[in-house]
Amino acid sequence: GAGVSQSPSNKVTEKGKDVELRCDPISGHTALYWYRQSLGQGLEFLIYFQGNSAPDKSGLPSDRFSAERTGGSVSTLTIQRTQQEDSAVYLCASSLSGNEYGYTFGSGTRLTVV
Amino acid sequence: DQQVKQNSPSLSVQEGRISILNCDYTNSMFDYFLWYKKYPAEGPTFLISISSIKDKNEDGRFTVFLNKSAKHLSLHIVPSQPGDSAVYFCAASVSASGNTPLVFGKGTRLSVIA
Repeated sequence: GAGVSQSPSNKVTEKGKDVELRCDPISGHTALYWYRQSLGQGLEFLIYFQGNSAPDKSGLPSDRFSAERTGGSVSTLTIQRTQQEDSAVYLCASSLSGNEYGYTFGSGTRLTVV
Repeated sequence: DQQVKQNSPSLSVQEGRISILNCDYTNSMFDYFLWYKKYPAEGPTFLISISSIKDKNEDGRFTVFLNKSAKHLSLHIVPSQPGDSAVYFCAASVSASGNTPLVFGKGTRLSVIA
């Protein structure tokens, strides 16, 4: 597609439920990143996929968070047993190669845990 | 431990004047720096970047200055326009060519007053 697509754009869920957030990167982009922005905070790195390599999961805040990338394209971020502190905007980004021109971000999914 | 710091949460500037947004970093391994701009309900968009081998990079109304010894960079916008009102994020990387995830600051909200 023309840009990075994320769905849903908004998600309200009850505490304790599981949620899945989807990211459709730009076609051909080999690198895919998940970040989140909590209220008043910067962009916090969560996980990074590069081609067929094992993902860099060093930013995941707990084992309730997981992500996969199928076929080198679409990625799903799953949060199990959601907590109120998981409320944030979850941003997905992709890049072709290297950081030189930065990433292309999607519009994000605003997750609210009530 | 915040590696990239934007100490001013907000900045207000009159239209036509210069806007100066500041960013400090602590990791001496960073050698590539980027600025992103974010409008509400949209993902961040890449604005301008600079490599550590330079001390200045200019693109139209936007100039980024890097003082490596002080671990400080700044973004100058001149003349400022109302459409520049947005949140500006500073980001850093240990490599321009690699895909190491960018480290972001918390952002500075710029308001340009007509």
